[in-house]
Amino acid sequence: GQQLNQSPQSMFIQEGEDVSMNCTSSSIFNTWLWYKQDPGEGPVLLIALYKAGELTSNGRLTAQFGITRKDSFLNISASIPSDVGIYFCAGPNSGGSNYKLTFGKGTLLTVNP
Amino acid sequence: SAVISQKPSRDICQRGTSLTIQCQVDSQVTMMFWYRQQPGQSLTLIATANQGSEATYESGFVIDKFPISRPNLTFSTLTVSNMSPEDSSIYLCSVGLPQLWKQYFGPGTRLTVT
Repeated sequence: GQQLNQSPQSMFIQEGEDVSMNCTSSSIFNTWLWYKQDPGEGPVLLIALYKAGELTSNGRLTAQFGITRKDSFLNISASIPSDVGIYFCAGPNSGGSNYKLTFGKGTLLTVNP
Repeated sequence: SAVISQKPSRDICQRGTSLTIQCQVDSQVTMMFWYRQQPGQSLTLIATANQGSEATYESGFVIDKFPISRPNLTFSTLTVSNMSPEDSSIYLCSVGLPQLWKQYFGPGTRLTVT
């Protein structure tokens, strides 16, 4: 089945630094979703992307739909301690008329105050 | 988006027993899903909960182990049957907006099997 590869697996940064992470697929996607999961909580949808080249922001977060349609990027500017969590990318499962999603393995972000 | 609640939020169960997890949504939704998240891992889809018909299970998950009910458009249950320590995971329900591929998740049920 489809696989989404996220990198890096984990990041340790200082408060105030910018963060970049990415997600790649072996197949073309028509939609990319980015989620954040806080410890002990369910994932929260951050950004949805629907068009190659699309750049969408949500506060300090910016996500881009790669022009090859096989990758997506998430950037966080001026990180703060509450940015800590696991960031997942997701996309439509193959044979996707049933609206199922495939999730990447996640990027664990730690922010040192 | 929808407001989604799950009960229980966490439980510790003995092996061989069963636990039923409830998922309640504050509005009617067509698409409802159940996921498992093993410790330190990503989300794995267990099944799609279909209103008025049998759930659709993913490869590796069977109805006898994970029976699902969906009696109406705002409620679903997942039962983890005959539990073993390998079933220790977070179980999450989600609702989907089919036209946009967006899914919104409940807070999860953290299950520990001893």
